[in-house]
Amino acid sequence: NAGVMQNPRHLVRRRGQEARLRCSPMKGHSHVYWYRQLPEEGLKFMVYLQKENIIDESGMPKERFSAEFPKEGPSILRIQQVVRGDSAAYFCASSPRAEGNTIYFGEGSWLTVV
Amino acid sequence: EDQVTQSPEALRLQEGESSSLNCSYTVSGLRGLFWYRQDPGKGPEFLFTLYSAGEEKEKERLKATLTKKESFLHITAPKPEDSATYLCAVQANNNDMRFGAGTRLTVKP
Repeated sequence: NAGVMQNPRHLVRRRGQEARLRCSPMKGHSHVYWYRQLPEEGLKFMVYLQKENIIDESGMPKERFSAEFPKEGPSILRIQQVVRGDSAAYFCASSPRAEGNTIYFGEGSWLTVV
Repeated sequence: EDQVTQSPEALRLQEGESSSLNCSYTVSGLRGLFWYRQDPGKGPEFLFTLYSAGEEKEKERLKATLTKKESFLHITAPKPEDSATYLCAVQANNNDMRFGAGTRLTVKP
């Protein structure tokens, strides 16, 4: 897990507010993945990004969720108008390139919607 | 659609009792199969990557093997500190990673 930095580690939002989760990949890594994990469930793929490009967003809900990975700065997962069902752990992972490469995870951001 | 199925969902072992975890997959063009360990409240920790059928990798009490349809994670003489959820993931031609639901391992002293 060393090197992939996620913040905040814990975030509490009221229903209808916005949540922004940030991920700084390991040094030298240009590929970022976001996953969601509900209690007692596995990791669900959300989105895969390279610098300035969304490669695969097939796991992202069509509404309220968006992700970006700008040329400079961290990757951002943005959830607008949060609902209770958005409460989960959100994990970011990074890799130096795509093919057959190990991805390394951060410690996660725990979102609680009250 | 790519699928990854892990079994059993949960496994309870006595310390020293060896066993295996299974990961079955269907994927179009396997680029790699990955095993991770996840402790409660933590991010997944990388264990192994396997790329082709017949490949094996070992680390301490763990050994991962790969066939064309499944992978096994063998745990030899486990200790209580091996208790965790073990996750399997596959990377296909489109380069994104798909995870199984995991096997929750408990090793009792």
